[in-house]
Amino acid sequence: IAGITQAPTSQILAAGRRMTLRCTQDMRHNAMYWYRQDLGLGLRLIHYSNTAGTTGKGEVPDGYSVSRANTDDFPLTLASAVPSQTSVYFCASSDGSTNSNEQFFGPGTRLTVL
Amino acid sequence: GQNIDQPTEMTATEGAIVQINCTYQTSGFNGLFWYQQHAGEAPTFLSYNVLDGLEEKGRFSSFLSRSKGYSYLLLKELQMKDSASYLCAVNDGDYKLSFGAGTTVTVRA
Repeated sequence: IAGITQAPTSQILAAGRRMTLRCTQDMRHNAMYWYRQDLGLGLRLIHYSNTAGTTGKGEVPDGYSVSRANTDDFPLTLASAVPSQTSVYFCASSDGSTNSNEQFFGPGTRLTVL
Repeated sequence: GQNIDQPTEMTATEGAIVQINCTYQTSGFNGLFWYQQHAGEAPTFLSYNVLDGLEEKGRFSSFLSRSKGYSYLLLKELQMKDSASYLCAVNDGDYKLSFGAGTTVTVRA
């Protein structure tokens, strides 16, 4: 593994189903983030984690949950998917200990909820 | 909330120069980022400004004026591969970034 990986690459999901998007990084970064990207709206933060064991809500957290059991993994769960959650989801990580806090992004998961 | 504005689209000719402006109003400020994103791919880091002035990196330069809440990304000697979306993002002082909606640049031959 090099950098950040996400799985699956894409998924078609029936409304009401539960879905977990996986994110793993091997850079030992403290902070991790989940964004959704929709046409015309840019990247919007869903949830974030400053360090293992802590999480926080971003701009659009409703309908999503996260956990951060260890440094490397940051899964995003949709408990009961709805069509408005159709989007491209990006996971990102940052060192968190430098002023610049540059974020590195995973390749994304394209999710379609029918 | 955070407010970050940038133009939706820009078109330029190969070999030309394009300037993408970004204005922001945020609760805090600890630096401004520019990311490049090709269609269907992840955003990748281009530049970071935390102090006023110009940062040059090859064909790309980024400028910041904190007093005006303004930045621009300058792309010189445009190439076809520069066709992409360019995202302005502000670190508001916490770990989090707030992104603008992005500017799609189309380079024509």
